[in-house]
Amino acid sequence: EADIYQTPRYLVIGTGKKITLECSQTMGHDKMYWYQQDPGMELHLIHYSYGVNSTEKGDLSSESTVSRIRTEHFPLTLESARPSHTSQYLCASRTTSGRVEQYFGPGTRLTVT
Amino acid sequence: RKEVEQDPGPFNVPEGATVAFNCTYSNSASQSFFWYRQDCRKEPKLLMSVYSSGNEDGRFTAQLNRASQYISLLIRDSKLSDSATYLCVVTPPGGSQGNLIFGKGTKLSVKP
Repeated sequence: EADIYQTPRYLVIGTGKKITLECSQTMGHDKMYWYQQDPGMELHLIHYSYGVNSTEKGDLSSESTVSRIRTEHFPLTLESARPSHTSQYLCASRTTSGRVEQYFGPGTRLTVT
Repeated sequence: RKEVEQDPGPFNVPEGATVAFNCTYSNSASQSFFWYRQDCRKEPKLLMSVYSSGNEDGRFTAQLNRASQYISLLIRDSKLSDSATYLCVVTPPGGSQGNLIFGKGTKLSVKP
């Protein structure tokens, strides 16, 4: 089992609220990722990080922001949640060398009302 | 042309059937290849890596054809528990430095 954790697992929140989705991994992986996935749809990469103080936007434009102050922690923040942000958010990580498989956290299912 | 293309399915098969999924990738310099499995409303999990010589893990066989830029996954003796979406995943040129590229997935439904 991969040691990557996400909290909360489920979140229902009102429009306009600020939210932070937490992601932590204990594998010492340099690379971390955030994906957005609607039910029955494909994964979309929204943010990634290659290490501490490194963050990049992914293929899908997102109003969220991320930070990487510590290797093990990669939180995602929405300053003002909207119903269009309702989705599942999946965090993933992998090592830089050797095996390149990516490990996913269990996801946060966000509903904005 | 998308970087990784898969037949979205769904593939509806009876228990015990053999089913094959195909995947094509656009960049001939891609280096590593994987199949992931994603259950409904769950996170993707690595099913198996795909090696040039082909590889087998129990009822699952993966094959790679670099000349045709084609990857396949064969599932023999399908079980109800095999019902899931199967994602074809490719690393771009540069191997471990780049981000993994995920296909949209092929949905499999195994019926009793």
